[in-house]
Amino acid sequence: EVQLVASGGGLVQPGGSLRLSCAASGFTFSNYWVHWVRQVPGKGLVWVSRISRDGTIKNYADSVKGRFTVSRDNAQNMQYLQMNSLRVDDTAVYYCVREWGGSGTIFDYWGQGTLATVSP
Amino acid sequence: EIVLTQSPATLSLSPGERATLSCRASQSVSSYLIWYQQKPGQAPRLLIYDASNRATDIPARFSGSGSGTDFTLTISSLEPEDFAVYYCQQRSSWPPTFGGGTKVEIK
Repeated sequence: EVQLVASGGGLVQPGGSLRLSCAASGFTFSNYWVHWVRQVPGKGLVWVSRISRDGTIKNYADSVKGRFTVSRDNAQNMQYLQMNSLRVDDTAVYYCVREWGGSGTIFDYWGQGTLATVSP
Repeated sequence: EIVLTQSPATLSLSPGERATLSCRASQSVSSYLIWYQQKPGQAPRLLIYDASNRATDIPARFSGSGSGTDFTLTISSLEPEDFAVYYCQQRSSWPPTFGGGTKVEIK
């Protein structure tokens, strides 16, 4: 069974940092691009970042570029999102998402999400 | 970036009724349009990809159609478990973008 378990969310003040983690299981992690997608509670979905199978290609939404850094450890089946200089409008549930192999952003499996709250 | 507009925002229907949800793109996305279902407190689930292809284990009552800028998700006969929020997403151009969602609620 494919599983993506996100963790690391919490309450942080504006300007602070959080590191989100995503533990993957049930599939060969190194064969898939993985993404982060966020959702303000009660609102819509917004793509945040993606990382290639070997970690060499990384892309970000303009709203987080220069503040967030995505990485992965294929030996540990983990994806990470380092979030710095956090703002109130970064408050959201962050989902770890698998891209259907070679599809270019069809998201076939989603983790349960972890809530990051940025508040004074 | 491509803007997706979903309508209506809320659809109030009874079990057994037909649901028709719309997604309109600000420019052509060809057939690269995807639909997801999200239930309260859960992550989204892939329903339909590339406009009309059902994902694995998705019941036949869900169907998608359209191309270019206008797309439709149809649920032929609503089951109790179908009451949820539905999002469309385009993968035609970068970055991928989502619509604002349509909530299908019990009338």
